[in-house]
Amino acid sequence: KAGVTQTPRYLIKTRGQQVTLSCSPISGHRSVSWYQQTPGQGLQFLFEYFSETQRNKGNFPGRFSGRQFSNSRSEMNVSTLELGDSALYLCASGSKSAQYFGPGTRLTVL
Amino acid sequence: AQSVSQHNHHVILSEAASLELGCNYSYGGTVNLFWYVQYPGQHLQLLLKYFSGDPLVKGIKGFEAEFIKSKFSFNLRKPSVQWSDTAEYFCAVNGISYGGSQGNLIFGKGTKLSVKP
Repeated sequence: KAGVTQTPRYLIKTRGQQVTLSCSPISGHRSVSWYQQTPGQGLQFLFEYFSETQRNKGNFPGRFSGRQFSNSRSEMNVSTLELGDSALYLCASGSKSAQYFGPGTRLTVL
Repeated sequence: AQSVSQHNHHVILSEAASLELGCNYSYGGTVNLFWYVQYPGQHLQLLLKYFSGDPLVKGIKGFEAEFIKSKFSFNLRKPSVQWSDTAEYFCAVNGISYGGSQGNLIFGKGTKLSVKP
């Protein structure tokens, strides 16, 4: 089975811009979660989607949003980028037994 | 707020030494517990998981972990480490009874393990 894929792998943006990241889950998985990984805060949960519905949300501002499509692919969007949004954004594809992570998108905000 | 604590930030061992990495969580209800590993330049991989049953769980690459409910702990162990175990290790909890869902993991800050050849 193919693993979780994320595109793009690297992004450089400037403050104030917006960005959209994409995640394709493992075939058959209906749950997709997003996490932000930074050296200071570690891994923090952003949100989870299941069958196109947001099932849970972490403690992030409204600038962070996401959606899931009928084929389970998911996108997350960050608007009005800030320097502190520079991070590795990880997508995880879930079954009932575990979450399987993709390689991440490295976002740098200048 | 629910949290996960990993006591050691950086552990340095020689090959063949035994490893134990601590993990404590703050949930009081039903939890699912995980250890993930991130090798240099690679993505997070699941090492092992505990949902219920035998509190001693075995994972890949010779790792095991013990769930001690009374201590809110889920420590990771390996009897003899290898240089290839050099990586960052993350403990994670899924607090189902606190409104969490299967995709909502709370992670510890991670422990970097360096194994000297």
